[in-house]
Amino acid sequence: DVKVTQSSRYLVKRTGEKVFLECVQDMDHENMFWYRQDPGLGLRLIYFSYDVKMKEKGDIPEGYSVSREKKERFSLILESASTNQTSMYLCASSSGGGETQYFGPGTRLLVL
Amino acid sequence: QKEVEQNSGPLSVPEGAIASLNCTYSDRGSQSFFWYRQYSGKSPELIMFIYSNGDKEDGRFTAQLNKASQYVSLLIRDSQPSDSATYLCAVMGTGNQFYFGTGTSLTVIP
Repeated sequence: DVKVTQSSRYLVKRTGEKVFLECVQDMDHENMFWYRQDPGLGLRLIYFSYDVKMKEKGDIPEGYSVSREKKERFSLILESASTNQTSMYLCASSSGGGETQYFGPGTRLLVL
Repeated sequence: QKEVEQNSGPLSVPEGAIASLNCTYSDRGSQSFFWYRQYSGKSPELIMFIYSNGDKEDGRFTAQLNKASQYVSLLIRDSQPSDSATYLCAVMGTGNQFYFGTGTSLTVIP
């Protein structure tokens, strides 16, 4: 079974803090993704990566950065958290080639 | 125009009935189509995928794909209260990028 884990299920941060969200997958997948999900807006792609040290902007990259130093790990960084970044953050991985994405359990982030 | 469109619902069906969920997509070159189920507060989980025109059955679930009409659907037979969730349609476009619909909320009434 594919397993995608995320470092925290719930996180509370203050405006201006730097926030790190970690994602690890154990299936040697090339592709990893970060989404945020908000009511009525669905899943929105923030960043994705097709290989180690490689990253591509998704639909809403502003205010975020990512790091992929190892194949199994993809980190999302909020450089200076703002209240409009309060959301559910979902990490996913896939092997590519038309295969499905597998999601982690999600991190619910609250920025005060 | 959004890449993937779904009716947001809510869709309510009585227990034991057939629930029909629909999705349209804009990229005519799309090859891979997926249905995810998402319970409230949880992450999406894959329940079906389909690559070819026609029907694909898995237990109580049937996915239907019509590439000419750019339409994919999910039928849930003998609906159970545990099927109450949001169902996300996802499409892999020609650039290998995933596009998700905003989801359809399904409630199965006992």
